[in-house]
Amino acid sequence: DTAVSQTPKYLVTQMGNDKSIKCEQNLGHDTMYWYKQDSKKFLKIMFSYNNKELIINETVPNRFSPKSPDKAHLNLHINSLELGDSAVYFCASMWENTGELFFGEGSRLTVL
Amino acid sequence: SQQGEEDPQALSIQEGENATMNCSYKTSINNLQWYRQNSGRGLVHLILIRSNEREKHSGRLRVTLDTSKKSSSLLITASRAADTASYFCATASPAGTALIFGKGTTLSVSS
Repeated sequence: DTAVSQTPKYLVTQMGNDKSIKCEQNLGHDTMYWYKQDSKKFLKIMFSYNNKELIINETVPNRFSPKSPDKAHLNLHINSLELGDSAVYFCASMWENTGELFFGEGSRLTVL
Repeated sequence: SQQGEEDPQALSIQEGENATMNCSYKTSINNLQWYRQNSGRGLVHLILIRSNEREKHSGRLRVTLDTSKKSSSLLITASRAADTASYFCATASPAGTALIFGKGTTLSVSS
């Protein structure tokens, strides 16, 4: 069983479109994250949710809206996609005992 | 803002050699973690060292932490081609609610 799973793995779309990426974890963790990795492999924290509540919202355009229907799911919706949104988006959950993160395999978004 | 900075950015070695990567950070930490990312994959946790520890081992991995210099090093001994990956250090943000990653070191091990 995959611990943290994200779908889709690849997403190619036109500028101006709206798209969603879904994330689910079966580890029973309370805290989940979205990170963005750019072409230079730099990982930037975007959002963090703890038990369905938003606890971190870094300087991210409000075109990005996370949604957590329950503590096992954290989805990312992006409106009006721009070229600069092209990146790999990683979902992760945290084991509170140590702060260790468990990552999904990433969703590569390409905006044309 | 970025917390960790790895050095070197890229490292190429032969199988059997040791690889050393360094990480510097800016603020006080509770712990420092190292992750590996294979090409096209997610990050995988390797090892965690707490702020009151100076050295930790896990298999072929050895991590050191110097809180006075705000630096850590990851040593991979007897490297293998399968160790080819990017390696990232990560520290908890001052609020302690998220891990902040450095830019990573890309390691290439040739056979």
